[in-house]
Amino acid sequence: KNEVEQSPQNLTAQEGEFITINCSYSVGISALHWLQQHPGGGIVSLFMLSSGKKKHGRLIATINIQEKHSSLHITASHPRDSAVYICAVLRRGAAGNKLTFGGGTRVLVKP
Amino acid sequence: KAGVTQTPRYLIKTRGQQVTLSCSPISGHRSVSWYQQTPGQGLQFLFEYFSETQRNKGNFPGRFSGRQFSNSRSEMNVSTLELGDSALYLCASSLGIWTAEAFFGQGTRLTVV
Repeated sequence: KNEVEQSPQNLTAQEGEFITINCSYSVGISALHWLQQHPGGGIVSLFMLSSGKKKHGRLIATINIQEKHSSLHITASHPRDSAVYICAVLRRGAAGNKLTFGGGTRVLVKP
Repeated sequence: KAGVTQTPRYLIKTRGQQVTLSCSPISGHRSVSWYQQTPGQGLQFLFEYFSETQRNKGNFPGRFSGRQFSNSRSEMNVSTLELGDSALYLCASSLGIWTAEAFFGQGTRLTVV
């Protein structure tokens, strides 16, 4: 079983719909990141979370440390939100930091 | 403020050759980390450099190496290329490894034939 699991793997939505992407992890972490990757490869860091909730524009990210779960929500989705969304968890240890990525969720928003 | 610059953007090499990729971080960022992305394995962490020292390393064979210069620019090298090394190689710069927002380059797409 992967240490970081994302669901769904693929998601298609109509413009304006509310979208939720989930990320579950099985290890203790110090932080979780949400990334957005557009076709062509460019990656943008959306959020870094260690607790609670963060909001940026139409994007909201939440994390529940006890349940080892995070969600990324997109409100009023738009075709430009079409991308792959990736969560990554950071663990700090005596041997250094370890960063593990989820498999990504491919989102397609249709006009 | 200039972003993270990776060169070259595309590269085709043959098996057995070696390759060097370059990453210039955002001015003032001392941390540069490298990642490999393949359709089968997704994104995987290669290594991270901070102030010219390798701080962390992922689970990759010794054929993958890197270094960081005093101006924070970083290079990664892959020797004795294998077909499975074909991937998008991304670097990211930040003030500290994943302790703050990371900024990614556009990546270098390496094809090994």
